[in-house]
Amino acid sequence: QVQLVESGGGVVQPGRSLRLSCAASGFIFSNYDIHWVRQAPGKGLEWVAVISYDGSKKYFADSVKGRFTISRDNSKNTLYLQMNSLRAEDTAVYYCARDGKADTAELDYWGQGTLVTVSS
Amino acid sequence: QSVLTQPPSVSAAPGQKVTISCSGSSSNIANNYVSWYQQLPGTAPKLLIYENNKRPSGIPDRFSGSKSGTSATLGITGLQTGDEADYYCGTWDNTLSAGVFGGGTKLTVL
Repeated sequence: QVQLVESGGGVVQPGRSLRLSCAASGFIFSNYDIHWVRQAPGKGLEWVAVISYDGSKKYFADSVKGRFTISRDNSKNTLYLQMNSLRAEDTAVYYCARDGKADTAELDYWGQGTLVTVSS
Repeated sequence: QSVLTQPPSVSAAPGQKVTISCSGSSSNIANNYVSWYQQLPGTAPKLLIYENNKRPSGIPDRFSGSKSGTSATLGITGLQTGDEADYYCGTWDNTLSAGVFGGGTKLTVL
């Protein structure tokens, strides 16, 4: 069965960095675009970034552009989100999600999420 | 302020029908597929509708989706208390080159 498992969340001070990972299993990872979506406490979903199946295309929300990078290692079936210059407003549960059909942002499988708290 | 606009809340009695609207623009809904997600309290979102009106395996036909122009609608019939959740619409925005979601709609089954 398709599984996405995020890790790497925690408490970090403003201005510091954190790297999230998303381990995939149960499907051919290298065939799918993968997204990061976050949800601040008590708030709605916010799209963060996407990387194409082969890593050649990457797109970011304006709120994280220039601070976050997305990458993947298809040999390890793992997606990454490198978050730099973190701010209090980046506090959220971060989900990775599979795009069921390329270029549609139709997210058919989601991980359980990992909580990132940015606080001094 | 979300790119897609949804009502903050809707409510209806068990067994009744409810619709949730999602309004966008020519850069997103009008030219891309719309998907809908259900988020039960304390859980990750789950895909409910994709390609505007298709249901993934395991999603009952009480849930339906439609799209017209720059708007989309989620319909839920035969409401059950277990349907109480937050519902989100989502799509791709060609101008922003970004994924976009609605602000979410909280469904209460009275």
